[in-house]
Amino acid sequence: GQQVMQIPQYQHVQEGEDFTTYCNSSTTLSNIQWYKQRPGGHPVFLIQLVKSGEVKKQKRLTFQFGEAKKNSSLHITATQTTDVGTYFCAGHGSSNTGKLIFGQGTTLQVKP
Amino acid sequence: EAGVAQSPRYKIIEKRQSVAFWCNPISGHATLYWYQQILGQGPKLLIQFQNNGVVDDSQLPKDRFSAERLKGVDSTLKIQPAKLEDSAVYLCASSVTAATYEQYFGPGTRLTVT
Repeated sequence: GQQVMQIPQYQHVQEGEDFTTYCNSSTTLSNIQWYKQRPGGHPVFLIQLVKSGEVKKQKRLTFQFGEAKKNSSLHITATQTTDVGTYFCAGHGSSNTGKLIFGQGTTLQVKP
Repeated sequence: EAGVAQSPRYKIIEKRQSVAFWCNPISGHATLYWYQQILGQGPKLLIQFQNNGVVDDSQLPKDRFSAERLKGVDSTLKIQPAKLEDSAVYLCASSVTAATYEQYFGPGTRLTVT
């Protein structure tokens, strides 16, 4: 079945450093979504990418969708302590039923 | 706008007991999802409803788990009998439709099976 893998599993950075997490799917995706889960919280939607090669920015966050629509990345510039949490990518397969396959997440720790 | 409501927030039961979780989605959201999130992992879809019909329940352990959304609004997820490996956070989410819309998650129910 469809699998979505994320690397790295954990990342510790000093405040102000950059951070990147990578997401790879075993199959072509119709779109990909990114969620953030704070410690003890629930996943919160960040963004959705649909087009091949699409790049979207939200302040210090940059999201990319690969040309083959099988991989994606999230890059955070100049991390802040408020960025702490686990970032999940989640892919919709081609069936478009709404079923999301989540990656295992990348947990970001930021040292002040 | 009220978010997705879930109850209870925490539940501790012994193995072989039964438990039920309740979810009330955002008003007007046709699609409702139940996820299981084991510590350190991403959410895993258990069942997806479109209104009161099941769209996907391929990963629901049907010998012990059941779910219903009788009136197409709120939903219940039941486990009977519970096993130790069912210890997890059970997340309910809703979206406008079953198409590619963002999902809004509730706070979850943390289940501990002893």
